[in-house]
Amino acid sequence: DTEVTQTPKHLVMGMTNKKSLKCEQHMGHRAMYWYKQKAKKPPELMFVYSYEKLSINESVPSRFSPECPNSSLLNLHLHALQPEDSALYLCASSQDRTAGELFFGEGSRLTVL
Amino acid sequence: KQEVTQIPAALSVPEGENLVLNCSFTDSAIYNLQWFRQDPGKGLTSLLLIQSSQREQTSGRLNASLDKSSGRSTLYIAASQPGDSATYLCAVRHNQGGKLIFGQGTELSVKP
Repeated sequence: DTEVTQTPKHLVMGMTNKKSLKCEQHMGHRAMYWYKQKAKKPPELMFVYSYEKLSINESVPSRFSPECPNSSLLNLHLHALQPEDSALYLCASSQDRTAGELFFGEGSRLTVL
Repeated sequence: KQEVTQIPAALSVPEGENLVLNCSFTDSAIYNLQWFRQDPGKGLTSLLLIQSSQREQTSGRLNASLDKSSGRSTLYIAASQPGDSATYLCAVRHNQGGKLIFGQGTELSVKP
């Protein structure tokens, strides 16, 4: 099973809302990632968790708050977002942070009104 | 700073044609290189992973090569089909820190 599951698939939120994106994998991977992708662009790394600890934060604004409750789950909490934050948010996992094949989920399409 | 370039940005071919997608990178200190496929509005699907010590990997009609010294990788697609239409992305994982650096992608259209 090489599946990374993301929910919800689509999310529309106002600038004052609080919402969360969820990601789950059952491959025993110890590294999990959040990427942001705008149309016609490659994914941009946001956060990396390794063994449930945040190891990379690519200077992401604090309105995005990641959380890794356990080795299989990764959340991205959203608060006071801007319209320019509208994008496809992709979760990925790999065996560990420095090596191994990356597997991506189908993404959560976020629209901020 | 590692930079990854994919040429061409877009490619349109008739069905049945063999084709090559190119990926180049500026720093040869890579751990591995991965090719992905992305359909519109979807996530990335891993196609092939080549470790830095390997020269090529094959999966079905796909063959990826790696020449670390020249900073190049190619993805060869044999007997292309309309279902191969998608954006193809290459990404290199650097030795230091292990971050994945993506190219801009090649948008492939295979016409019936």
